[in-house]
Parts: sequence; C-alpha cells; structure tokens
Amino acid sequence: DIQLTQSPSFLSASVGDRVTITCRASQGISSYLAWYQQKPGKAPKLLIYAASTLQSGVPSRFSGSGSGTEFTLTISSLQPEDFATYYCQQLNSYPPRLTFGGGTKVEIK
Amino acid sequence: QLQLQESGPGLVKPSETLSLTCTVSGGSISSSSYYWGWIRQPPGKGLEWIGSIYYSGSTYYNPSLKSRVTISVDTSKNQFSLKLSSVTAADTAVYYCASVDSAPAWGQGTLVTVSS
Repeated sequence: DIQLTQSPSFLSASVGDRVTITCRASQGISSYLAWYQQKPGKAPKLLIYAASTLQSGVPSRFSGSGSGTEFTLTISSLQPEDFATYYCQQLNSYPPRLTFGGGTKVEIK
Repeated sequence: QLQLQESGPGLVKPSETLSLTCTVSGGSISSSSYYWGWIRQPPGKGLEWIGSIYYSGSTYYNPSLKSRVTISVDTSKNQFSLKLSSVTAADTAVYYCASVDSAPAWGQGTLVTVSS
C-alpha cells in the first residue's frame, strides 16, 4: 500500500508568512494528489486536486506543485482564516481508495 | 454539483451494529465512473478510509476493518450505506461519505458515539 508522509506535522506561523507543507509518497503516484483544509468541527475542504489544480472558489494564495513522490502545498501569504489542519490525499485507482497523510496543523505564532 | 449527505443514529451501544446512509444529489450513482466511499475520523485524530463501492455492487474494504464492514448501494434511491458490526468505543468517530475520484466531493460528516 502507498503511504503518504506529511511534514511538518505542526507549524507555527504569522499572518503574512509564506508557508510550505510537504507530502511524500512511498512510491510514485503521478499527479493523483489532493490537498484539504480542515477546521475544527468541519468536514475537510478540497483546496487542490491533481497536484496543482485549484478547486473553484479557493483563494489564489493557495497553490500546489509536484509529481511522482514529492508534493508541496504553498500558502503565499497566510491569512487569519488559514489557521487549520491540512491533509494531503492520494487517489488509488485499484483498489479504489483514498489514502491520507497524517496532517499538518498550522497555528498562530 | 455533486452533494452528499450522511444520515443515521448518533449513538450506538457497544457490540451493536453501526448503520449509516449516504444520499447523493446533483448526480446519479449509476452513471458515475467512479467509486463511492466511507471515511472516518476519530476525535482529535486523522482520516481513515473504511471502504468503497461501485454502483454495480463491487466493494473494497480497509483490511483492518474488513471482518466487520459491509457497504451496499441502492441505485433506486441514489444512496449507499455502511454497516459496521461489533462496535467498541474505538469506533467513535465522525463518519464521512465521499466520491472516490480525483476531486472528491464529501458529505458534512456525522458523529457516531459508541457508548452504553
């Protein structure tokens, strides 16, 4: 099974900071990677899919890059509403399943 | 736009069976080329895939839960369902349904607590 490893697991940052979160896959997954933002008590919100495609309605300060085994989510200028936990997720075509990274909690410095 | 909504009891007794249903709107389960899945998140923890089903009824389960999980589909109601048997407190979680594709649509989630 493919494993996803996110780093860091915790990040302390200030409003306006540029933030980068990394997700590494245990084997190549092409571009079948998505990123989510989750706030307490809410369902994960899709930010990026296919590694770099911004979901409709998501601010352009969010961007994704990478392919194969290494992927990054970048927030160009952290806003107060961005403090949350972020997850990467891989789509496995067979068996059809979603595999998740362990999460990165972004907190206010 | 695809929308999913979970429904079912919020409290289940230990050793009993947890049953949830996901209703899909904005699209047909039968005409989709992808699978439908269940995911759960214990309080304060990460996300765990439970299993997936195709409209034809083909299923795939997380090996760690396989002996206790049954996922079924009702195309006439545009719904798919989850049953998890012999539950314990460790099964307390928010349960989500989602489409298993490159840009998954998710339900809002439903908290199921296992307690006597």
